Amino acid sequence: NAGVMQNPRHLVRRRGQEARLRCSPMKGHSHVYWYRQLPEEGLKFMVYLQKENIIDESGMPKERFSAEFPKEGPSILRIQQVVRGDSAAYFCATGGSTDTQYFGPGTRLTVL
Amino acid sequence: RKEVEQDPGPFNVPEGATVAFNCTYSNSASQSFFWYRQDCRKEPKLLMSVYSSGNEDGRFTAQLNRASQYISLLIRDSKLSDSATYLCVGGGGNNRKLIWGLGTSLAVNP
Repeated sequence: NAGVMQNPRHLVRRRGQEARLRCSPMKGHSHVYWYRQLPEEGLKFMVYLQKENIIDESGMPKERFSAEFPKEGPSILRIQQVVRGDSAAYFCATGGSTDTQYFGPGTRLTVL
Repeated sequence: RKEVEQDPGPFNVPEGATVAFNCTYSNSASQSFFWYRQDCRKEPKLLMSVYSSGNEDGRFTAQLNRASQYISLLIRDSKLSDSATYLCVGGGGNNRKLIWGLGTSLAVNP
């Protein structure tokens, strides 16, 4: 049973480009949570999705960031027109019938 | 006041020591509680769930006190490999959202 998969593991973008981060949940999990972590800082909740629905996006910046979890395929976190301040580790966690969350290895985004 | 509050440390202890971490939470409606461990530049990994009755997993013991709204983690006979950041987490229930503490840093020294 594969764990939570994230790709790419490392992503380098120039300012103004788009970044697409993908998360494939653990088998049987329908809840997806995205977090951002800056160096030496704590996890910051961004968005919670359940198949095809955004349940809670209270942590998402109002502009440039969007997330989806389609019926088929991975969840996508999309950042448009990236800026240097977007450089961070982005973690996806997934869950099933309980509140326990299992994390993917993260995507480290570097904006040049 | 932060929703989940932990002492950031760092805690520096010698191998073999016993170390205890405490954490407080503000939302009395929280239903699920966990301790996660995060190594440098890695993802958080579930260490253990926390229950009012207390639970033990080898050298690790976790306890929840709902009346005082605090959660504890006790590590006995510390190993070098226990060096990490320990994250206290609470929340869940109907809205499924977990609130994360900022973490307590532990360094176990030879």
